[in-house]
Parts: sequence; C-alpha cells; structure tokens
Amino acid sequence: DAMVIQNPRYQVTQFGKPVTLSCSQTLNHNVMYWYQQKSSQAPKLLFHYYDKDFNNEADTPDNFQSRRPNTSFCFLDIRSPGLGDAAMYLCATSRDKGPYEQYFGPGTRLTVT
Amino acid sequence: QQQVKQSPQSLIVQKGGISIINCAYENTAFDYFPWYQQFPGKGPALLIAIRPDVSEKKEGRFTISFNKSAKQFSLHIMDSQPGDSATYFCAASMTNQGGKLIFGQGTELSVKP
Repeated sequence: DAMVIQNPRYQVTQFGKPVTLSCSQTLNHNVMYWYQQKSSQAPKLLFHYYDKDFNNEADTPDNFQSRRPNTSFCFLDIRSPGLGDAAMYLCATSRDKGPYEQYFGPGTRLTVT
Repeated sequence: QQQVKQSPQSLIVQKGGISIINCAYENTAFDYFPWYQQFPGKGPALLIAIRPDVSEKKEGRFTISFNKSAKQFSLHIMDSQPGDSATYFCAASMTNQGGKLIFGQGTELSVKP
C-alpha cells in the first residue's frame, strides 16, 4: 500500500542531544510537510518542501532543520532539543501545492529527558 | 486573519445521535476546507472536504455545511457510533499559499454506547 512511513515511532533523547526523525513516502508526492503536535493541540506546521524548494514557517525555531535528499525521503533534525520540544512530530505529503489532500504518517513521539 | 476557530472543545453524544462541530474563519481567500479525524497515537486522516462554491457535501454519515457569507462551516456526524470517538480538526487553506493548512483547535468527540 502506498503510504507515509515515519521512523522511529518513539524516540527518547537527552536534553541538548541532536536527534533526527525520518519520513518516507511511496506516494511519489511533490510536497512534504513537517508538523509539531503537542498534547491536546492542533498540528503546527514547521516547514515544507515543494520538490526541493524549502519553505520555512516564520515562527519555526532555528533549532529545527530539515533535509530532503530525494522525492521519497525527508528528515527533521533537532539540533539541541529542549524539554519544550517534546511532542508528536507528524510528516505529511501532498500531490502538489494547492487544495489537495494531505496524507499524514503515524507520527514520531519525541520524549526529551 | 489566518485563524480558524473551532467549537466546542469537547463533545459527548449518545450512540445514534448527531454530532455537530462548528468552525469559523476570517480570511475570505481560503478556498479549501477539510475536516481531519485523529485517533490517539495516530496521524490525522482526511474525513471530508469542501470548496466554497458548494454549500453542502455529504459522504455517508458525514456532512459538511458551508455558509460563505457567514464565513462558517460545520461537520455533522449522523447516527454517531462509539467508533467515531476521536479528535476532529477543521482546517482551511488557500491555493496561493501552497496549500498550507490552518487548523482549528480541535474537538474531542466521545460517543457513549
């Protein structure tokens, strides 16, 4: 089945220790998104890639970076995680820019100790 | 102007009843209004979506009602079932912003047997 896959599903990291979350998709979609979702809140867009074109949200901290080495993969790097970065991180894809369905992965639950 | 306001925050409905969740927006440039369903520990999944040239869209037990002049839209779940218990997010996007989703705050629905 075509889908959005996130690894790992659960990640524990120490305060200040860099961590990388990964997302892959078999949908061959042009757009990939990274969202942060804290408990009982709506997903908050961090950034997205349209093909190789990176688009950062204005309020995304510099601590968060992303890489998209090819169409299928996208990575979220948190350079120095703080306790406030503990959250569910969701990857989503969309066929193209515009009013198209976004397909979400199952998320990675990040815990910062 | 970019906000989408959702209510209620939580909703308890008896099995077989109608669940109604409301959303309001300000920016008339929004041109796509999806509803996402999210179960605990899972990523959101598209439930149903509407564009502003249509006043109502129905898919099975789920109906979106859209009032363009009032800048409001709502989700109706007919014959609500315990399996519908989840968090529901309305969202809005505009084509000229690359399909970026602006989410409402979410409604936690509980359907009692």
